Amino acid sequence: GAVVSQHPSWVICKSGTSVKIECRSLDFQATTMFWYRQFPKQSLMLMATSNEGSKATYEQGVEKDKFLINHASLTLSTLTVTSAHPEDSSFYICSAYRDYLSNQPQHFGDGTRLSIL
Amino acid sequence: KQEVTQIPAALSVPEGENLVLNCSFTDSAIYNLQWFRQDPGKGLTSLLLIQSSQREQTSGRLNASLDKSSGRSTLYIAASQPGDSATYLCAGTSSARQLTFGSGTQLTVLP
Repeated sequence: GAVVSQHPSWVICKSGTSVKIECRSLDFQATTMFWYRQFPKQSLMLMATSNEGSKATYEQGVEKDKFLINHASLTLSTLTVTSAHPEDSSFYICSAYRDYLSNQPQHFGDGTRLSIL
Repeated sequence: KQEVTQIPAALSVPEGENLVLNCSFTDSAIYNLQWFRQDPGKGLTSLLLIQSSQREQTSGRLNASLDKSSGRSTLYIAASQPGDSATYLCAGTSSARQLTFGSGTQLTVLP
């Protein structure tokens, strides 16, 4: 079964709304989680690395004030898209490692499809 | 900065055919190389992970190879089936465990 849960799976909202997406590790603690974005017909791009108890590390070109990341516990990271606009419509996916130092693959959530009208 | 390229962008084959998907990367200092499958509107399914010290991995009808010196990986799918139709993504993992994805190959297997 899923070890990383992402919620909601689909969001449709009006322009200007702030949207929060949750990423939970279900049966393990994740000090580090990753957030990716995928535009239609394109690949996944890393947005930021979420670190429990500290500030997230954002990739170049990603607005930290636009995409607020909070990793307040070892099992939950949230991504808030503030004042969302149509250009923010995308597929957002989070991931986490069960054991960050191991050579095992990371676990991905099922993604959140965000549509801004 | 790592760049990952996949060719072809799209591929259509008749059922039963063997096929190869290609992936190239610019930075050979990868931690590992992964292949994923993505169905339309869905998340990612991990298919194979090749450690940087390995040359290939096999799972069922899938075989992935890694050649760090040339910066290339291939995913071989044997006896393709319509259910294999999906987008296949390769990704290089950095030492910081971040993934850099290729743009994907959209595979259609015709019955």
